[in-house]
Amino acid sequence: DTAVSQTPKYLVTQMGNDKSIKCEQNLGHDTMYWYKQDSKKFLKIMFSYNNKELIINETVPNRFSPKSPDKAHLNLHINSLELGDSAVYFCASKSGGGQETQYFGPGTRLLVL
Amino acid sequence: SQQGEEDPQALSIQEGENATMNCSYKTSINNLQWYRQNSGRGLVHLILIRSNEREKHSGRLRVTLDTSKKSSSLLITASRAADTASYFCATAAAGGTSYGKLTFGQGTILTVHP
Repeated sequence: DTAVSQTPKYLVTQMGNDKSIKCEQNLGHDTMYWYKQDSKKFLKIMFSYNNKELIINETVPNRFSPKSPDKAHLNLHINSLELGDSAVYFCASKSGGGQETQYFGPGTRLLVL
Repeated sequence: SQQGEEDPQALSIQEGENATMNCSYKTSINNLQWYRQNSGRGLVHLILIRSNEREKHSGRLRVTLDTSKKSSSLLITASRAADTASYFCATAAAGGTSYGKLTFGQGTILTVHP
């Protein structure tokens, strides 16, 4: 069973389009994250939700909007896609209770043409 | 400037040799973690060391932490071809409620030749 899953795995789209990436975790974790990894492999946090509540919102363009319908899901919607949005987007989750390890999904490779 | 800078950026060794990767950071931390990323895959947690710890072992992995120098090292002993991957350090800031926010370094690409 996949602990943290993301769909789609690959996404190729035109500039200006709107797209969504979905993430689900079956670990029962309370906290979920979105990270962006650029072409130089630099990984940067974008958002975090704890029990459906937004708790981390880094300096990300407001074209990016996360949504957490329940604590097992965290989706990322991107409006008006730009070339610079091309990257690999990773979802991760973490349990509470002082546990620090984050569990990552396989990533969604987004290419904006 | 970003937290968590690693060196070397790339390391190429023969199977059986040891691999050492270093990580430096800028702010006070609660803990420091190392992750591995195989090509085209997600990150996998390897080991966590807390700010009050100096050394930690897990199998062939040995991590050290020097908070006075704000640096950490990851040693992989008796490397195998399967260890070929990118290795990232990540820091969790001290104080406050960080909700586990991790700041990643840019990683070291390790290639182990059979």
